[in-house]
Amino acid sequence: GQQVMQIPQYQHVQEGEDFTTYCNSSTTLSNIQWYKQRPGGHPVFLIQLVKSGEVKKQKRLTFQFGEAKKNSSLHITATQTTDVGTYFCAEIIQGAQKLVFGQGTRLTINP
Amino acid sequence: SQTIHQWPATLVQPVGSPLSLECTVEGTSNPNLYWYRQAAGRGLQLLFYSVGIGQISSEVPQNLSASRPQDRQFILSSKKLLLSDSGFYLCAWSVFAVGEQYFGPGTRLTVT
Repeated sequence: GQQVMQIPQYQHVQEGEDFTTYCNSSTTLSNIQWYKQRPGGHPVFLIQLVKSGEVKKQKRLTFQFGEAKKNSSLHITATQTTDVGTYFCAEIIQGAQKLVFGQGTRLTINP
Repeated sequence: SQTIHQWPATLVQPVGSPLSLECTVEGTSNPNLYWYRQAAGRGLQLLFYSVGIGQISSEVPQNLSASRPQDRQFILSSKKLLLSDSGFYLCAWSVFAVGEQYFGPGTRLTVT
């Protein structure tokens, strides 16, 4: 079935370094969403990308949707300890009214 | 504003015992509702989703079941828990079928 592959599975950085997680699909994605889950918490919606080549920014976070709509990325500039958590991409399954989540990238930060 | 409630927050149950987890949403009508399970350090596995009262779609065949007796109430049940049922159970809702999902605080279930 359809599944988005997310890499890396884990990433440890020094505070202030940049961080990027990638989401790849073998099929064309209609839309893609990104969520953040803090340790011990629940996932929180960050953004939805719809258009080919779309780039959206939220402060230090930059989200991109590939031109072919088969991949997406989340880039964090100058990480802070508040960025710690697991970042998930989620593929929207049109017609099935559900999301399929990637396995997530767990970000830890050394202060 | 909309809120989503889940209870209990934590639960320890013996193998073979029944389970009932409840999720309710306030401040919206006819939401799409979802049950997910997350194993420790792992991703989100969709278990069930519902687009209306009495309408349940099952994603993973297992010893769990779901019901939606009221518009904003979603219940996850099991007649006999297995060790493998341990995990973090999350309920979520959305306005549109392909819209952003809002998650509840979750229930941490440990089956002993």
